[in-house]
Amino acid sequence: RKEVEQDPGPFNVPEGATVAFNCTYSNSASQSFFWYRQDCRKEPKLLMSVYSSGNEDGRFTAQLNRASQYISLLIRDSKLSDSATYLCVVNMRSGGSYIPTFGRGTSLIVHP
Amino acid sequence: DTAVSQTPKYLVTQMGNDKSIKCEQNLGHDTMYWYKQDSKKFLKIMFSYNNKELIINETVPNRFSPKSPDKAHLNLHINSLELGDSAVYFCASSPETSVAYEQYFGPGTRLTVT
Repeated sequence: RKEVEQDPGPFNVPEGATVAFNCTYSNSASQSFFWYRQDCRKEPKLLMSVYSSGNEDGRFTAQLNRASQYISLLIRDSKLSDSATYLCVVNMRSGGSYIPTFGRGTSLIVHP
Repeated sequence: DTAVSQTPKYLVTQMGNDKSIKCEQNLGHDTMYWYKQDSKKFLKIMFSYNNKELIINETVPNRFSPKSPDKAHLNLHINSLELGDSAVYFCASSPETSVAYEQYFGPGTRLTVT
């Protein structure tokens, strides 16, 4: 079983739609969680951290469910510019360090 | 100012050659990383250094050798290149590793081995 799993998609949605992605992780010792965005042929960039209580940043909402070991990302009122690959990142504690583990990413295509 | 920079951006070379990729960050971060992103877009950590000390060394062939001359630089040397080494290599940095901060990535080096 992969450590961090995501549905690769693509999710093909019209502008203005609401879309949600899930990411599951296998290691219950996982400590912290992030969503990154990666545009085609570019580097990943942090979208948002994911907190236990859930957090919102504009049109983006992230949730963490430790009991079921998954995190989610909700995008409301999708824009064409939201088209990208969304990477889930889980940091697992190992000794005194954190080891970041990336999911394969979920591709989102927003069309007019 | 570029926060995390890598050189070269593109690297095309033949099997069996030795090549290096350089990475520099001007963010004052203590921790730097090397990642490999293969053709299936899977981003996998290879190495991590904290203040010039190796702290993460994932299952990577020993043909890959990282070197950190100071905490602002982390270079990657690859010996005897193989076809399977073709990928995009990303360098990243974060403030430190004892707390799970986010990472800042360089633009990537696209390596093609022929």
